[in-house]
Amino acid sequence: NAGVTQTPKFQVLKTGQSMTLQCAQDMNHEYMSWYRQDPGMGLRLIHYSVGAGITDQGEVPNGYNVSRSTTEDFPLRLLSAAPSQTSVYFCASSYSIWTGELFFGEGSRLTVL
Amino acid sequence: DQQVKQNSPSLSVQEGRISILNCDYTNSMFDYFLWYKKYPAEGPTFLISISSIKDKNEDGRFTVFLNKSAKHLSLHIVPSQPGDSAVYFCAASASSGNTGKLIFGQGTTLQVKP
Repeated sequence: NAGVTQTPKFQVLKTGQSMTLQCAQDMNHEYMSWYRQDPGMGLRLIHYSVGAGITDQGEVPNGYNVSRSTTEDFPLRLLSAAPSQTSVYFCASSYSIWTGELFFGEGSRLTVL
Repeated sequence: DQQVKQNSPSLSVQEGRISILNCDYTNSMFDYFLWYKKYPAEGPTFLISISSIKDKNEDGRFTVFLNKSAKHLSLHIVPSQPGDSAVYFCAASASSGNTGKLIFGQGTTLQVKP
């Protein structure tokens, strides 16, 4: 049972480049979300999804796109990377939005030069 | 506007003593609170939670206390162990209204010294 799998674990981008952070879970969880962790800021919610075909914005959605075509996958897209997007990104999932108990991936460290 | 605040960035405790981590929130709609623990280079893991209908929840060495009138919760670890050294995040959500949004605090780094 892999849980929540994020790829890549590390990525370096140049300003203006695009990329997609992949997230997959094998627990049949309805709820999935993306957070970024920055020093002194804790974990901030970027986007979340309560089921396939349904997404919504979190606290810091600007510069990021998401889609949820299947229950298992929730990719995060950076269309034009900026240095302010240098961060550690975590994907998380849970059985339902009501439980609040999230299962996190190991994180993806992104550096934008 | 930080809705969930952990005002102590770090805490150092001797092994065997009590660790108390604090968290304050501003949104009165929050009715479910959680604590997560994070080791370096790993994702956070769920530790303990509490619903607003309770004022205390205990799980082994970990106890969470909720003071709704003060909008304050705390995590007690007794006795503290070196393996407890990690970053602890509190988080809050509202089961009505802003569903789907779990809001985290900034985190407190706990160091338990042998």
